[in-house]
Amino acid sequence: QSALTQPPSASGSPGQSVTISCTGTGNDVGGYNYVSWYQQHPGKTPKLMIYEVTKRPSGVPDRFSASKSGNTASLTVSGLQAEDEADYHCSSYAAGNGVIFGGGTKLTVL
Amino acid sequence: EVQLVQSGGGLVQPGGSLRLSCTVSGFRFSSYWMLWVRQVPGKGLVWVSRISSDGSGTYYADSVKGRFTVSRDNAKNTLFLQMNSLRVEDTAVYYCARDYSSGGDFWGQGTQVTVSS
Repeated sequence: QSALTQPPSASGSPGQSVTISCTGTGNDVGGYNYVSWYQQHPGKTPKLMIYEVTKRPSGVPDRFSASKSGNTASLTVSGLQAEDEADYHCSSYAAGNGVIFGGGTKLTVL
Repeated sequence: EVQLVQSGGGLVQPGGSLRLSCTVSGFRFSSYWMLWVRQVPGKGLVWVSRISSDGSGTYYADSVKGRFTVSRDNAKNTLFLQMNSLRVEDTAVYYCARDYSSGGDFWGQGTQVTVSS
């Protein structure tokens, strides 16, 4: 049950786009369309931004989009804004009814 | 409004036990699977446990299997995590979350568990 692999950090300037990757295996990310992404500001609880690989919950701006190719899922934040600076975590269903998370990526808006 | 209110947690010695609770409102609790997730401050989220809507299916991370037990009382809209044989490495903030497509769409406020002598 090793964690999904995310880059520890990512950055971009306001208005730019940034993409964060999340790499697993065929037993999790690659095998199922149940990848989720969360935004977490310091001291706050995680907020669901994406579920089922590409779907946005109500209220999440369409600047946030996601995709998956093979064992790697990706979250793209377009038109970066200062309030997007946060930690981003991915998760996936894992074979055997488990869930697995990534190590998290700290997004800095320069 | 969906709410998940956590209680329990605190400081315990290695080998000790704690019971966390998560009382929900604003949705039909008995229709949803639920998750427990933990996080060491400054680190990533780590899945701990998952329970089916009727409680018949329970699933655990290898790191807690045999020591932690998840359960629920659908009549009281409450989720539990019984933690036994606690280790220093179990120290973290513990969150309950409503399971939505194997992710968490609503989260409790988190409760600190500290295992230390």
